[in-house]
Amino acid sequence: DAGVIQSPRHEVTEMGQEVTLRCKPISGHNSLFWYRQTMMRGLELLIYFNNNVPIDDSGMPEDRFSAKMPNASFSTLKIQPSEPRDSAVYFCASSLLIRDPVDSPLHFGNGTRLTVT
Amino acid sequence: SQQGEEDPQALSIQEGENATMNCSYKTSINNLQWYRQNSGRGLVHLILIRSNEREKHSGRLRVTLDTSKKSSSLLITASRAADTASYFCATDAHNQGAQKLVFGQGTRLTINP
Repeated sequence: DAGVIQSPRHEVTEMGQEVTLRCKPISGHNSLFWYRQTMMRGLELLIYFNNNVPIDDSGMPEDRFSAKMPNASFSTLKIQPSEPRDSAVYFCASSLLIRDPVDSPLHFGNGTRLTVT
Repeated sequence: SQQGEEDPQALSIQEGENATMNCSYKTSINNLQWYRQNSGRGLVHLILIRSNEREKHSGRLRVTLDTSKKSSSLLITASRAADTASYFCATDAHNQGAQKLVFGQGTRLTINP
């Protein structure tokens, strides 16, 4: 089991640049989540997908943020244009939703640490 | 606003001692989960307790849930240096969808050898 794979592990970019974060969920999982972690705000759910369809994007902070899941094995989170306040660790997580969400714990990747200067 | 709040924010104990962390939440829940995060890594699921359960065990972990007080505790017995990590509780909210987990700010646990 390769686990959830995120790339890159670290990203440093200048304000105004476009940033794309990538995630490969665990094979067979049908739910995918994007979280952001900062010291000030902790872990925040940005958006999640079921069967590649976005279900809830109410956590996406602004129109500068967008997420896609073109297929079951790949998702991207894009920030355009990036700002210093976007600096955070971005986590992708996946789970297998069969019937009851209670029985579907999240499996997290190791995150992408984004620094916007 | 934050659904789960952990207490204490930081805890430092000697190896072999027991560690207890608490979590309080605000709204009714379907389940409460505990996760561990090692420095520089993603969160790892430890244990889940349903709203109709009061206590659950998994190895050296013991979780309790008191829905009347909207609180949970995580007990790690016979702590080891490898238990050093941050521990987070996560709750769903009945009217938000059971997949929408909200995490607390975490308890940073340090086990001293």
